[in-house]
Amino acid sequence: DAGVIQSPRHEVTEMGQEVTLRCKPISGHNSLFWYRQTMMRGLELLIYFNNNVPIDDSGMPEDRFSAKMPNASFSTLKIQPSEPRDSAVYFCASSLVGTHEQYFGPGTRLTVT
Amino acid sequence: RKEVEQDPGPFNVPEGATVAFNCTYSNSASQSFFWYRQDCRKEPKLLMSVYSSGNEDGRFTAQLNRASQYISLLIRDSKLSDSATYLCVVTNAGNNRKLIWGLGTSLAVNP
Repeated sequence: DAGVIQSPRHEVTEMGQEVTLRCKPISGHNSLFWYRQTMMRGLELLIYFNNNVPIDDSGMPEDRFSAKMPNASFSTLKIQPSEPRDSAVYFCASSLVGTHEQYFGPGTRLTVT
Repeated sequence: RKEVEQDPGPFNVPEGATVAFNCTYSNSASQSFFWYRQDCRKEPKLLMSVYSSGNEDGRFTAQLNRASQYISLLIRDSKLSDSATYLCVVTNAGNNRKLIWGLGTSLAVNP
């Protein structure tokens, strides 16, 4: 069975550019989570969706970050404009509503120069 | 104070050793607790849930002490393949769908 799919796996961009990260959750899962991981701050929840609806975006750092989930099988996280401090690994995870186990994708390693 | 605190380590142990990690959490209203494992440059994966009565899965034993607000993970007969970062995870007291993550404890099992 396919797990959570993320693309791209690596992204290197210059400050000021727009970055779009993509995620396909596990089929049948109805919760989707976007995380950011850095050495200093660990895993931080940015936003999560239930049944394609954003439930809590309190972790989104600022207006430069936005996330969408147009259907049950696709979500995007966009950063515009990107800054060097956005450099991190961005994970997408999915789960079934009512359960706590989250299945993570392989992550996107973002470097903003 | 961080919501979930762990000793970052690293813990360096020989194969076959027993090693224990502790984790403390700040919100007494948190209801669910987990250990995740993350290999170097990989994604986190659920290792085990932690139940109030304590639970065991093979060589791994997890325990919860609600009064002292700490969680522990014991690994017996450690293997080289146990080398990883172990993340302590707690549900947010106000929103049980949100997970609060510790920074992790690094374990290196040496031959």
